[in-house]
Amino acid sequence: GQQLNQSPQSMFIQEGEDVSMNCTSSSIFNTWLWYKQDPGEGPVLLIALYKAGELTSNGRLTAQFGITRKDSFLNISASIPSDVGIYFCAGRPVLTGNTGKLIFGQGTTLQVKP
Amino acid sequence: EAQVTQNPRYLITVTGKKLTVTCSQNMNHEYMSWYRQDPGLGLRQIYYSMNVEVTDKGDVPEGYKVSRKEKRNFPLILESPSPNQTSLYFCASRSPGAVSGYTFGSGTRLTVV
Repeated sequence: GQQLNQSPQSMFIQEGEDVSMNCTSSSIFNTWLWYKQDPGEGPVLLIALYKAGELTSNGRLTAQFGITRKDSFLNISASIPSDVGIYFCAGRPVLTGNTGKLIFGQGTTLQVKP
Repeated sequence: EAQVTQNPRYLITVTGKKLTVTCSQNMNHEYMSWYRQDPGLGLRQIYYSMNVEVTDKGDVPEGYKVSRKEKRNFPLILESPSPNQTSLYFCASRSPGAVSGYTFGSGTRLTVV
């Protein structure tokens, strides 16, 4: 099936540092979503993007929908210990339209050292 | 509280013994879906449903069945579980609007021995 390539796979950073992760696809997407998963829980939606070039913020989080529609990135500024978790990108391919299909990346595991 | 509820949270079973993981949502969502999560592979979609009696295969449907007889429920059925189906499973639901993302349940950790 179609895949999203998410990088990096893992990050270990110091509290207060900024974090950046990205996701790329070989095909065009019409929606990009970023989720966070805490241990023992299901993923929770952080940010949703619907237009190429769109830049959206949610507190210390900022995400962008790439202009080519094949990529997206997520930035976290001034990280804190509760940012620890697995971050997933997810997208809806243009070819599938607004169906129930949603593809996820492999995830970025973030650890923050106090 | 708006939520997706999965049961059970943990399940250990033996190869070949049929099992069902239940999923229910109270948000009146049309769309529902099942994912499995494996280390290094992220979340992979098993099946999804766009409404009652409308289901479609995701990327990894082999060995699974689903049914959508009611809007709120979307059970996942493993007719003959095998060890390679040992995984963490998530049910999710969303409204049909193009701008909505899935809301996920808390997961079911399945071990097949």
